[in-house]
Amino acid sequence: DAGITQSPRYKITETGRQVTLMCHQTWSHSYMFWYRQDLGHGLRLIYYSAAADITDKGEVPDGYVVSRSKTENFPLTLESATRSQTSVYFCASSAAEASYNEQFFGPGTRLTVL
Amino acid sequence: GQNIDQPTEMTATEGAIVQINCTYQTSGFNGLFWYQQHAGEAPTFLSYNVLDGLEEKGRFSSFLSRSKGYSYLLLKELQMKDSASYLCAVTDSNYQLIWGAGTKLIIKP
Repeated sequence: DAGITQSPRYKITETGRQVTLMCHQTWSHSYMFWYRQDLGHGLRLIYYSAAADITDKGEVPDGYVVSRSKTENFPLTLESATRSQTSVYFCASSAAEASYNEQFFGPGTRLTVL
Repeated sequence: GQNIDQPTEMTATEGAIVQINCTYQTSGFNGLFWYQQHAGEAPTFLSYNVLDGLEEKGRFSSFLSRSKGYSYLLLKELQMKDSASYLCAVTDSNYQLIWGAGTKLIIKP
């Protein structure tokens, strides 16, 4: 199906483990984003990418790593998961800069770190 | 610092009109978005304002005053399916989107 997908949808892991969240979009959008959403907070940008092989830090990048070897994929890795990384993670994409283009969001991954 | 303020929660009646306010203090301004997010789902785009004034789109309208750092989302003829969170987001001078915490709208029959 066309669109933006995330996997897994739900994940439970333990402190210290490495976890990778996958994001795939079929629109060939240039820009892709990773956000986390926690109660009482707005969406907070972790990393974003303007094109393949170009990534940049957002507001809360510590403890996360991203890569973008192909335009359609933008995986997010938690190198050593901590309880504070328990959150809902959303991947998004847009055709151009976020300044005037809407972002399309994936369904989210609910991550619990025990 | 950068800040976006929205009421945490609002309640309205089916068929009525509700206005959700958003005030912002950001380093620069390059546009304001409203998104809708149903519980357990992803945000979806509602509107974009970059110039002062009212943008109407069916039952939903969005207003912007750049001089006041203020926007509102107006929802008319409320339906039960409008129960959701409404997120305000501003693009700053670095073209980064700054998100508000969202307003949870509860519609009562």
